[in-house]
Order: sequence, then structure tokens, then C-alpha cells
Amino acid sequence: EIVLTQSPGTLSLSPGERATLSCKASQSVNSRDLAWYQQKPGQAPRLLIYGASRRATGIPDRFSGSGSGTDLTLTISRLEPEDFAVYYCQLYGSSPPMYTFGQGTKLEIK
Amino acid sequence: QVHLQESGPGLVKPSGTLSLTCAASGASIGSDPWWSWVRQPPGKGLEWIGEVYPGESPNYNPSLKSRVAISVDESKKQLSLEVNSVTVADTAVYYCARGSEYSWHHWGQGTLVTVSS
Repeated sequence: EIVLTQSPGTLSLSPGERATLSCKASQSVNSRDLAWYQQKPGQAPRLLIYGASRRATGIPDRFSGSGSGTDLTLTISRLEPEDFAVYYCQLYGSSPPMYTFGQGTKLEIK
Repeated sequence: QVHLQESGPGLVKPSGTLSLTCAASGASIGSDPWWSWVRQPPGKGLEWIGEVYPGESPNYNPSLKSRVAISVDESKKQLSLEVNSVTVADTAVYYCARGSEYSWHHWGQGTLVTVSS
């Protein structure tokens, strides 16, 4: 089973700054199988990025996903007040079918 | 627009069975691929429970496989989840979600299930 490790655990930034969130896999992954979610308190996760770099419907272009192999990244180019939340990466594995999540990165206002 | 709504008892006794349903509007549970359950213990991260494709056997998280059953009732347009022999560790918010491209584009609001005597 592939393990996803997200870093940092907590990221403290100010609105307008750039956020870079890391998701490291324990072995090389297919970028097609990697997604990123945003979750605010009391709400369901919201899909931001799928296929490592494809924005989901309605997601602003300040959110971007990149990376390959074992190192995947979510970048928020200019933080808006509504972007402060917890972010999870998620991986699909096919043998057997299995979905795993990273432990999350909390993005908080500095 | 896709809307998912989970429902079921909010309190289950230890060793009992947790049963939830998910109703969908704007999507077809009987024909659209694919449908999953995901849970989140209070204050913790997300855990995939299992998924079902129309016409195929469900796939389950190996850590839960012996206690979980996911099914689809096409006539009622409902997705169902059963977890048996529950313990306090099964206390969580349970989400149903609609999948596409190896991720979940639509989620229900979630329902909290507490396991307690």
C-alpha cells in the first residue's frame, strides 16, 4: 500500500501570499490517480484538482496542481480569506482497488 | 446539479450494526459510475470505506472489508452502507460521494454516527 505524507502539517500565511503544499508518496504514482481536496470546518471535502493538475468544475485558477513520480504539489498563487482550510491529497491504487489520503495540511491565517 | 444526502441513525450501540443510506438527485445511482463511502472520525482525517460500480461487486478498504457491505437499490435510487460489529472507533462523519476520474467530484453533507452505549 502506498503511503501519502503531506507537509507541512500546518502552514501559516497571510492573504495575498503564495501557498505551496506538498504530498509525497512512498513509491512512484501515476499522476492520473492523484487528487486534492479542500475541507472547511463542518463541511464535506471539496474537490480542487484531479489527475494531479486538472482543476475541478468551478475551481478558481489560483489553484494549481503539479508534480510527478513521488512528489506532488498543490499551489495557491494568491491566498484569499476563504482559502484558509485543511487540504488533503488522495491517491487511487488499482491492485487491489484502494483509495488513500494524506493526513492533511492545515492552512491558517498568520 | 448533483445533490447527495446521507441519512440514518445518529447513535449506534457497540457491537451493533451501523446502517446508512444515500439519496441522489441529478445523478443516477443505478447507472452512473461510481459511488463511494468515506468517513472521518471527529478531528481526524479521511478514510475510504468502499465503492460500488453498477453491475459489479463492490470494492472495500481491506481494513474494513470483513465488517462492511455497500449496495445499490436502483428502484429507490439509493446507496446503502452497513458496518457491523461496531466499536467506538467507528464513530465518525460518514459521507457518500460520486466518483469520476479516480476522485470524488460530488459529496453529501455527511452524517455523524456515534457509537456509544
